[in-house]
Amino acid sequence: GENVEQHPSTLSVQEGDSAVIKCTYSDSASNYFPWYKQELGKRPQLIIDIRSNVGEKKDQRIAVTLNKTAKHFSLHITETQPEDSAVYFCAATPMDSSYKLIFGSGTRLLVRP
Amino acid sequence: NAGVTQTPKFRVLKTGQSMTLLCAQDMNHEYMYWYRQDPGMGLRLIHYSVGEGTTAKGEVPDGYNVSRLKKQNFLLGLESAAPSQTSVYFCASSSPGQGSDTQYFGPGTRLTVL
Repeated sequence: GENVEQHPSTLSVQEGDSAVIKCTYSDSASNYFPWYKQELGKRPQLIIDIRSNVGEKKDQRIAVTLNKTAKHFSLHITETQPEDSAVYFCAATPMDSSYKLIFGSGTRLLVRP
Repeated sequence: NAGVTQTPKFRVLKTGQSMTLLCAQDMNHEYMYWYRQDPGMGLRLIHYSVGEGTTAKGEVPDGYNVSRLKKQNFLLGLESAAPSQTSVYFCASSSPGQGSDTQYFGPGTRLTVL
């Protein structure tokens, strides 16, 4: 079945710097890759997603890139702010369904003021 | 719209006790999911449902049962709780038929099994 690996597990950056979180997936048939943000004690919330027919997608300070050949995708946050501090999860859809999600283990991002 | 709600927010059980977690959504979503979240392990799918009256197993179904008697509700049951089931449980819903794969999560239930 699908396996999603996420790195790093923790990331500390200075406010204003960029942050990059990387994920790899195992199922070459996966076609949907969302990213969720979870603040402390809160529910996960979708921040951006990408489909396999697109190489990059941007939404203000966040962007996601997808390399289907290498089976990896990344989240890029520019001009980080303290409110970006949270745990970020990547996910991918397994071959046998387009609605189930397999999540990575999460990255705790700390933005130092 | 309340979105996705979960009841209760917190619960402490003794080993062997049973309980039911309730998830409700008012977005008319077809699909509903139950996940558990443990430190360092992300979110793992327990069971899911693609419509009223249907359920299916996810990644970690052992020790849990589910029911979807009404479209808006998805129940997660623990028949005989074990300490290994101490976790935070999240319910989610989605509606791919409406053109979106986004899963909307509830606020979570923190369960401790002693």
